Amino acid sequence: QSVLTQPPSASGTPGQRVTISCSGSSSNIGSNTASWYQQVPGTAPKLLIYSNNQRPSGVPDRFSGSKSGTSASLAISGLQSEDEADYYCAAWDDSLSGLYVFGTGTEVTVL
Amino acid sequence: QVHLQESGPGLVKPSETLSLTCTVSGGSISNYFWSWIRQPPGKGLEWIGYIHYTGTTNYKPSLESRVTISVDTSKNQFSVKLSSVTAADTAVYYCARHREVPAFAHGMDVWGQGTTVTVSS
Repeated sequence: QSVLTQPPSASGTPGQRVTISCSGSSSNIGSNTASWYQQVPGTAPKLLIYSNNQRPSGVPDRFSGSKSGTSASLAISGLQSEDEADYYCAAWDDSLSGLYVFGTGTEVTVL
Repeated sequence: QVHLQESGPGLVKPSETLSLTCTVSGGSISNYFWSWIRQPPGKGLEWIGYIHYTGTTNYKPSLESRVTISVDTSKNQFSVKLSSVTAADTAVYYCARHREVPAFAHGMDVWGQGTTVTVSS
């Protein structure tokens, strides 16, 4: 059972802005940074955002991340058809001996 | 460009041990942490554990009693063994790289394509 909660789905038309939330706790997002991964069905996940708001080289600036308290958010502006995928937040959790936790995942549909 | 490739049996019998290897090419296994992640059919991602190239490991607590991750720096490979498997261990298994920064702060920046493992008699 995941400790990071995301909405199961989100959608928008091309060009719109879509935001995905990720709710955690003081032991994960509250004390560590969040990352976001994009997974097109049938393919491996791809790192989209790290350290809350940093984009790896090659990731379009349409993708942006933020963090506030124990929650993180991913925004996709200027939605494009190729953005249709599953999105997962993730963070290190300091409980027990420490573990990496993923969010429940959000399926983004481009209408 | 670093490339990761998972390999191992696609079918494992219940109660037996699942064994997979991840081969790192295009770069060195040194100076990084390496993780295994799995994804059951139609479900989300689950972190299994990591190993540092020096051999330090950390496992997801709920899997710790059944998991062993090892590294072979001479072959630029790391491996995972999961014992006493059941149908619940059926999943796509991925290997991934993360940098030597605290708390996975830079995320997992390189992933293998994944390999499907089915647990069935």
